[in-house]
Amino acid sequence: QKEVEQDPGPLSVPEGAIVSLNCTYSNSAFQYFMWYRQYSRKGPELLMYTYSSGNKEDGRFTAQVDKSSKYISLFIRDSQPSDSATYLCAMRTGNQFYFGTGTSLTVIP
Amino acid sequence: DTAVSQTPKYLVTQMGNDKSIKCEQNLGHDTMYWYKQDSKKFLKIMFSYNNKELIINETVPNRFSPKSPDKAHLNLHINSLELGDSAVYFCASRPTGLAGLPNNEQFFGPGTRLTVL
Repeated sequence: QKEVEQDPGPLSVPEGAIVSLNCTYSNSAFQYFMWYRQYSRKGPELLMYTYSSGNKEDGRFTAQVDKSSKYISLFIRDSQPSDSATYLCAMRTGNQFYFGTGTSLTVIP
Repeated sequence: DTAVSQTPKYLVTQMGNDKSIKCEQNLGHDTMYWYKQDSKKFLKIMFSYNNKELIINETVPNRFSPKSPDKAHLNLHINSLELGDSAVYFCASRPTGLAGLPNNEQFFGPGTRLTVL
């Protein structure tokens, strides 16, 4: 069993839709929870990170962590075609990072 | 100004060959990583160096050998290439900064797409 599980999709939504992306994990030692966005043929870029259970908002993006359920989510409001990318969740303990397999998202104009 | 650069961007080679991938970062970070991303987009850590010292060495074949000549460079040498080594290899760097401050942002290079024939 992988440390981090993520539905690979693909996910296809119309422009303006609310998108929900999710990951589950098994390791209680994870301290930080991150979302990366990866465009085709590019390296991943950090979108957001959170530390504690609860919500963190940044513009159209909201990251949610539920440590008791070992479940994290990323919500994208008013999705745009430019949001089309692969979204990877990541978790950190010490210097070690563990990534999900990524969810491929396409936002259709 | 590229923050994390990798060369080459594409590498096509025959089975059994030995090849190297180079990585350089100009961000002044002291921790660098090598990741392998397979065709299903799964990103798996291979190695990490902090100030030229190996701190993470995941279960990878010993045909893979990282080398860090200084804290701005982390190279990856692969001996006796196999078909299963075909993947995209990403270098990343991260500042480790002051104790107690979270430094969660890794800066990734553009990747090196390795194809073994």
